[in-house]
Amino acid sequence: DAGVIQSPRHEVTEMGQEVTLRCKPISGHNSLFWYRQTMMRGLELLIYFNNNVPIDDSGMPEDRFSAKMPNASFSTLKIQPSEPRDSAVYFCASSLGSGGDTGELFFGEGSRLTVL
Amino acid sequence: AQRVTQPEKLLSVFKGAPVELKCNYSYSGSPELFWYVQYSRQRLQLLLRHISRESIKGFTADLNKGETSFHLKKPFAQEEDSAMYYCALSGWDDKIIFGKGTRLHILP
Repeated sequence: DAGVIQSPRHEVTEMGQEVTLRCKPISGHNSLFWYRQTMMRGLELLIYFNNNVPIDDSGMPEDRFSAKMPNASFSTLKIQPSEPRDSAVYFCASSLGSGGDTGELFFGEGSRLTVL
Repeated sequence: AQRVTQPEKLLSVFKGAPVELKCNYSYSGSPELFWYVQYSRQRLQLLLRHISRESIKGFTADLNKGETSFHLKKPFAQEEDSAMYYCALSGWDDKIIFGKGTRLHILP
């Protein structure tokens, strides 16, 4: 099993451009999480899904951020328009459990975003 | 509100010395606590969880509900322990939040 797969691994874009980050969770996992990692704030939870349904998006910083999970094997995180302060490493993670027993999170390798 | 606090951004310890990474949490209920580790050029991965009560790579962590703490300890540090360590909390709603992390640097 290749684990959680994220793409792209690196993205450099200019301010104002749209950015789409992709994630393929581990097959059979019920929960999917998007995190943002920065030096100042550490790992921030942006949004998470249970069985493809968004449960809590209170961590999404602004309306410029949106996330979807159209099926159990794919999720996207979109930033439109992007700004330099969005520069960070974005992690996707999935877990087997749900319903109060999320269990171990399995992380992707992350997508490093640089907005110029 | 759920909160995880790791007071140290950087901790430097000599090889062979004891290690303690601090973690305090805020949660109204019975959370599940975890420690995750990120070694250089590797994925973030689970180190241990409080319900397992295991010792992984010589590390242990005890949940102290009175002090709302879940400190990570190891009696004798090894060079391969150098990494970024995150304390995490999971509540009844499956939400998993992390502290800001502590970078552990083992000095030779």
